[in-house]
Amino acid sequence: DAKTTQPTSMDCAEGRAANLPCNHSTISGNEYVYWYRQIHSQGPQYIIHGLKNNETNEMASLIITEDRKSSTLILPHATLRDTAVYYCIVRAQGAQKLVFGQGTRLTINP
Amino acid sequence: GAGVSQTPSNKVTEKGKYVELRCDPISGHTALYWYRQSLGQGPEFLIYFQGTGAADDSGLPNDRFFAVRPEGSVSTLKIQRTERGDSAVYLCASSLNRYSEAFFGQGTRLTVV
Repeated sequence: DAKTTQPTSMDCAEGRAANLPCNHSTISGNEYVYWYRQIHSQGPQYIIHGLKNNETNEMASLIITEDRKSSTLILPHATLRDTAVYYCIVRAQGAQKLVFGQGTRLTINP
Repeated sequence: GAGVSQTPSNKVTEKGKYVELRCDPISGHTALYWYRQSLGQGPEFLIYFQGTGAADDSGLPNDRFFAVRPEGSVSTLKIQRTERGDSAVYLCASSLNRYSEAFFGQGTRLTVV
């Protein structure tokens, strides 16, 4: 699986959009970009995934660049409950496991 | 419940003892995963089951670790001769199949003293 690079930590004000970047410059054509988050003392929670088109669901939006070498997870109106570690993962279709990196620790400030 | 259930939530054991950690996946999910997470690190893959069989056990650190899923539902992670370095949160996840997103349990915090 391709490796991802994320900032170690980020801060965002409550009510603002949180934009979390991820670099995956060695991504292959059959690899999807997945985002999970982990709130303190809980298991990871699936957020969203995509291949090459932008995706949106009730939790977030995923913007993937045209060359697919980077992506951004957008939480449109961040709340205090969005404080968590966010993991960007690249995974081939049908791959048997998720490979987690260190993630980005996002802190939402009041 | 609708989610992945792991028991116990906390386990303290003495060095050298044997422990079993249980995972109840979401009903109907054929894929099941075990991960281990040390403090400040991302989850580390241990083993993956498709149905009853271990399709990928490449993450098990050594032969003291073993996992089973005899009926394709509940899984047990077994650790023999526990060491202090085994202390971590052990996470279980399940998915409908290997193409679907995985849902994680709350984890079992294992402390070896």
